[in-house]
Amino acid sequence: ETGVTQTPRHLVMGMTNKKSLKCEQHLGHNAMYWYKQSAKKPLELMFVYSLEERVENNSVPSRFSPECPNSSHLFLHLHTLQPEDSALYLCASSQDVSGAGGNTIYFGEGSWLTVV
Amino acid sequence: GIQVEQSPPDLILQEGANSTLRCNFSDSVNNLQWFHQNPWGQLINLFYIPSGTKQNGRLSATTVATERYSLLYISSSQTTDSGVYFCAVNTGGFKTIFGAGTRLFVKA
Repeated sequence: ETGVTQTPRHLVMGMTNKKSLKCEQHLGHNAMYWYKQSAKKPLELMFVYSLEERVENNSVPSRFSPECPNSSHLFLHLHTLQPEDSALYLCASSQDVSGAGGNTIYFGEGSWLTVV
Repeated sequence: GIQVEQSPPDLILQEGANSTLRCNFSDSVNNLQWFHQNPWGQLINLFYIPSGTKQNGRLSATTVATERYSLLYISSSQTTDSGVYFCAVNTGGFKTIFGAGTRLFVKA
């Protein structure tokens, strides 16, 4: 238990579907992240939110749409995805986005997404 | 940008053996973390260690910041140690850069 909870753990969706991934952190952190992990690739940072404000959109296609309604919750809305978007999507949080010493990142369990 | 290289990429151990995983990084860092990703995808923090040495049970880590490397030691390995070990560094700001990982399989 890391204090970061993701749902659903597994999702299969068609290319015309709309679905959402949800993340909640119980650590009182101010920063939240979405990462993508594809087979045999390093973790890719997708989005960063600091105090509900997006501070990074790392050239992610618009078919991925993040939402951060408050500092404890983060969503990733998915629509018209492609099979190559199949991956493990990881949510994370940290105290802030400063990267200062001791700013440990905590990850959720991940959501395994398969696009068919 | 900073480069993070981990070695070896793959490692197979007999249960009870010891091992050393290495992480080299190309620039000064604010912080460095080691993670273990289990077969179900969960990334677990092992150590926050920008410098010095820390120990937690059978695991220990050492970072020599001046020489830009970190080592993760696993002693008396168990099958539950299997998974992927990632080194991640931060040079300031929100971008944490992950290495490609070391995939460890411990045989019973």
